[in-house]
Amino acid sequence: DTAVSQTPKYLVTQMGNDKSIKCEQNLGHDTMYWYKQDSKKFLKIMFSYNNKELIINETVPNRFSPKSPDKAHLNLHINSLELGDSAVYFCASSQAQGGSSYNEQFFGPGTRLTVL
Amino acid sequence: AQSVTQLDSHVSVSEGTPVLLRCNYSSSYSPSLFWYVQHPNKGLQLLLKYTSAATLVKGINGFEAEFKKSETSFHLTKPSAHMSDAAEYFCVVRGPYSGGYNKLIFGAGTRLAVHP
Repeated sequence: DTAVSQTPKYLVTQMGNDKSIKCEQNLGHDTMYWYKQDSKKFLKIMFSYNNKELIINETVPNRFSPKSPDKAHLNLHINSLELGDSAVYFCASSQAQGGSSYNEQFFGPGTRLTVL
Repeated sequence: AQSVTQLDSHVSVSEGTPVLLRCNYSSSYSPSLFWYVQHPNKGLQLLLKYTSAATLVKGINGFEAEFKKSETSFHLTKPSAHMSDAAEYFCVVRGPYSGGYNKLIFGAGTRLAVHP
């Protein structure tokens, strides 16, 4: 049973297109995240949702829009794709966290996006 | 501000020899620190975490890390490398509590190669 799953695993598309990446977790977690990993393996958070509410929104272009239909799903839609959007995008989930507590984040396998 | 610096981008060891992956941190308060591992084409998996309890932390797969406040270090070690340990390793610090949540701040990663 896959805890955090993403589709598709690979995505190759042309500049200017619009694409979506889907994420689902079956762990019953309240919080979900999107991370971007660039070609140098640097990993940075983009968004975080808790119970369908946006709680973290890093400096990300408006072309990126997360959508959470329910707390088990967090999708990422990207408009007008650019070459610089090529990266691996990871979804993750955790129980609600904050303050002095930390709950492990479980990561999906990643979606490798290539923009031509 | 919280940050981590992984001192080596690549480490190469022979199977059966010790592993040392170095990480220094910067934090304005008592940090929570983690090591994650990413195997090729896989998501990230938590190896171990330090959250102000014992300074020597044991993780999965025989890895451990020691929190040294005087040296602001959290190096990852393993007595004997196995071929399956070849992967990318990330040192992570929990970011400041803001808006009810903490972000994870990732280091740049260390690629561990294990040779027969």
